Amino acid sequence: SAVISQKPSRDICQRGTSLTIQCQVDSQVTMMFWYRQQPGQSLTLIATANQGSEATYESGFVIDKFPISRPNLTFSTLTVSNMSPEDSSIYLCSVTDTYNSPLHFGNGTRLTVT
Amino acid sequence: GQQLNQSPQSMFIQEGEDVSMNCTSSSIFNTWLWYKQDPGEGPVLLIALYKAGELTSNGRLTAQFGITRKDSFLNISASIPSDVGIYFCAGPTTSGTYKYIFGTGTRLKVLA
Repeated sequence: SAVISQKPSRDICQRGTSLTIQCQVDSQVTMMFWYRQQPGQSLTLIATANQGSEATYESGFVIDKFPISRPNLTFSTLTVSNMSPEDSSIYLCSVTDTYNSPLHFGNGTRLTVT
Repeated sequence: GQQLNQSPQSMFIQEGEDVSMNCTSSSIFNTWLWYKQDPGEGPVLLIALYKAGELTSNGRLTAQFGITRKDSFLNISASIPSDVGIYFCAGPTTSGTYKYIFGTGTRLKVLA
């Protein structure tokens, strides 16, 4: 399966600032997704990162808060904007290649907002 | 909306014991995935199931796709300390795309 690298692995940020998380895959993949995992919780899908076009957001997530880019088939970024303590979570990049194929995940970015 | 409920929520077991956990859905799935997440890491795929009734093993792990297609089970035999972690089930969303929803998780703790 693809090797997925996320940067940074963790960060502590001040409220009101923004953080951009990078996801790099070692091979071209069809689909890339961003998930959020709040403390002690399961994974919630934020959006599908679409190559060369605007991301598709799930209910409860908006582009102004979580702008996403995907310039090619191996790279995507997620920005967490105007952060508040409620944004403290693990953010996970995931990829898959074909319909019904399993997702594979990066190691995540652990974000703490103070 | 779709929900995946996992049971138990958490469990303590003795090393060497067998473990069973399950995942139930409010809707029918055609794929079940089982993941394990270690602290500070992303989920790692353990087993993928694609057919009702299917029984698949990966070492000491065995997972089954329920006949009703609304549930799945994961068993771990002869548990060891490194089995500690959170186990998630996942299934595709009803939107018919590549997207998956995840269960509530089962947190496993092994007592040596």
